[in-house]
Amino acid sequence: AQKITQTQPGMFVQEKEAVTLDCTYDTSDPSYGLFWYKQPSSGEMIFLIYQGSYDQQNATEGRYSLNFQKARKSANLVISASQLGDSAMYFCAMREGHADSSASKIIFGSGTRLSIRP
Amino acid sequence: NAGVTQTPKFQVLKTGQSMTLQCAQDMNHNSMYWYRQDPGMGLRLIYYSASEGTTDKGEVPNGYNVSRLNKREFSLRLESAAPSQTSVYFCASSEAPGSSYEQYFGPGTRLTVT
Repeated sequence: AQKITQTQPGMFVQEKEAVTLDCTYDTSDPSYGLFWYKQPSSGEMIFLIYQGSYDQQNATEGRYSLNFQKARKSANLVISASQLGDSAMYFCAMREGHADSSASKIIFGSGTRLSIRP
Repeated sequence: NAGVTQTPKFQVLKTGQSMTLQCAQDMNHNSMYWYRQDPGMGLRLIYYSASEGTTDKGEVPNGYNVSRLNKREFSLRLESAAPSQTSVYFCASSEAPGSSYEQYFGPGTRLTVT
């Protein structure tokens, strides 16, 4: 069965430092996708980055990169040069299924609350 | 483009009352989803619809029903509300084949059942 685990309920980081948010997953499907979302205090869900299970390279989007270690089943989010505006909840999520099939379930981890100190 | 819209934004119900949460998207997406988020928790999938005319149960479907009215609209119904259904409800949509399945979320409906 699908499972997403985020073991860090909360983290404090100094502004301008890099931060890594952990995510491990479990699936028996060889085809899957991994996402990271940001939820600021205002409540909206903001898509950050996506990694497909067959992608050869780690995904990057600006200051966000996904450290994908398939053998370890981990998909950690790395934020470089953190900013005060990065303070938010961060959720890891996973989709099982082939990219050319109809939508399958997407499940979320419990989240990590990141707080950036000035 | 409005993206994903949800109505209402806030709702207070008494135990046993019923209501329907409305969701619409204008991005021509095939797939739509309903999640609930309890305080301090992640999102849990209630129901999803891979395409118009199909619906499937998620992790926590009990106490809810859904209708995929057309490609744009996906509603969530609480037939007899219970205090345990107090939560924030998010609707989301995503494109199907050929995309990364990035989900676009609505602003949420904050529901309180007393």
